[in-house]
Amino acid sequence: GENVEQHPSTLSVQEGDSAVIKCTYSDSASNYFPWYKQELGKGPQLIIDIRSNVGEKKDQRIAVTLNKTAKHFSLHITETQPEDSAVYFCAASSHRDDKIIFGKGTRLHILP
Amino acid sequence: GAGVSQSPSNKVTEKGKDVELRCDPISGHTALYWYRQSLGQGLEFLIYFQGNSAPDKSGLPSDRFSAERTGGSVSTLTIQRTQQEDSAVYLCASSLVGQGGTVVGYEQYFGPGTRLTVT
Repeated sequence: GENVEQHPSTLSVQEGDSAVIKCTYSDSASNYFPWYKQELGKGPQLIIDIRSNVGEKKDQRIAVTLNKTAKHFSLHITETQPEDSAVYFCAASSHRDDKIIFGKGTRLHILP
Repeated sequence: GAGVSQSPSNKVTEKGKDVELRCDPISGHTALYWYRQSLGQGLEFLIYFQGNSAPDKSGLPSDRFSAERTGGSVSTLTIQRTQQEDSAVYLCASSLVGQGGTVVGYEQYFGPGTRLTVT
């Protein structure tokens, strides 16, 4: 089955700097890669996603890149703000079994 | 509109007791997932319901865990003879299903979770 590795597990960046979180996946059949943000005491919420026919997608300060050959995908947050502090999860899924497999998460701290 | 709701929000139980956790998905979402999140850990898949199909139970950690979904809507996760290692946040999510019966590419909407503590 699919295995998603995510790193780093913890990341601290100065407010205004950029943050990058990286993930790898194992199943070449995976074709959908969402990113979720989880704030304290809440359930995860989708912030951006990318499909396998696209190499990059942007939404304001957030961008995701996908390298299907290397089975890598990354989340980039620019001009970080205090409200970006949260746990971020990458995930991968395919039509083969309809399950979304999550990485272990990255705790992002934005330092004042 | 209303999101996914879960109850109770917190549950403290003694080791060996049974517990039931409830999930109310978004109306019209035919796909429903249960996940377990241990302290500082990721989201561990437990079980997946889709319409009238047989559920995918491949993530249930032991036969003490079971789940039902009645009428294609509300779901209940039951843990029998709870153990201390069952302590975690249990999250429920629901999703639309597209043509071809797949949920891939459709957002999962998560509830706030039930925090279970087994003493």
